Amino acid sequence: ETGVTQSPTHLIKTRGQQVTLRCSSQSGHNTVSWYQQALGQGPQFIFQYYREEENGRGNFPPRFSGLQFPNYSSELNVNALELDDSALYLCASSLHRDRGREDEKLFFGSGTQLSVL
Amino acid sequence: AQSVAQPEDQVNVAEGNPLTVKCTYSVSGNPYLFWYVQYPNRGLQFLLKYITGDNLVKGSYGFEAEFNKSQTSFHLKKPSALVSDSALYFCAVRPLFSNDYKLSFGAGTTVTVRA
Repeated sequence: ETGVTQSPTHLIKTRGQQVTLRCSSQSGHNTVSWYQQALGQGPQFIFQYYREEENGRGNFPPRFSGLQFPNYSSELNVNALELDDSALYLCASSLHRDRGREDEKLFFGSGTQLSVL
Repeated sequence: AQSVAQPEDQVNVAEGNPLTVKCTYSVSGNPYLFWYVQYPNRGLQFLLKYITGDNLVKGSYGFEAEFNKSQTSFHLKKPSALVSDSALYFCAVRPLFSNDYKLSFGAGTTVTVRA
């Protein structure tokens, strides 16, 4: 177990709705990354949060947004859900050191399986 | 742009035989390379990483990977596979010295080890 917890584990929504996914990072970690894993594909980078600010973003539209809280936990929000948003959403925590990024090994949670009908 | 190719969707081996999962990458500058494994209904688990130094990297559960700069490859290997190694394996890359924190994953290779 990595110590990264995500909730809920499964979620069913309808097209056009909004969803919030939650992630608690591993103790001692200060950075959270979110990935989308569609069926049969590798994880795709959505964005990363460090010091409560977005720190890098992949090719996802603005309706994908996030937050990081002072305790380093994080939320992923998706507005106006589309059928193609159905996927496993993975949260990964890591330790970012200001002097370098040598130890940016990601520790993943088990994910939230989102189904959009 | 950075990318990873895992040319085999599936790899099947008998228990006790050597296991190789192939990965080639494309990245600007020096690569920071990873292998992760995913079991059903679980998140990704870290196996090993390559930054610099020895081209043969040893990781968890008896796995190792060989970095080949000229072939831009980072193949995962295990000398003697176990049935419990059956899982989905992902190779990933990002530039070593970059403000771009995005980790790019391959599509994954399903490994099946038969008893």
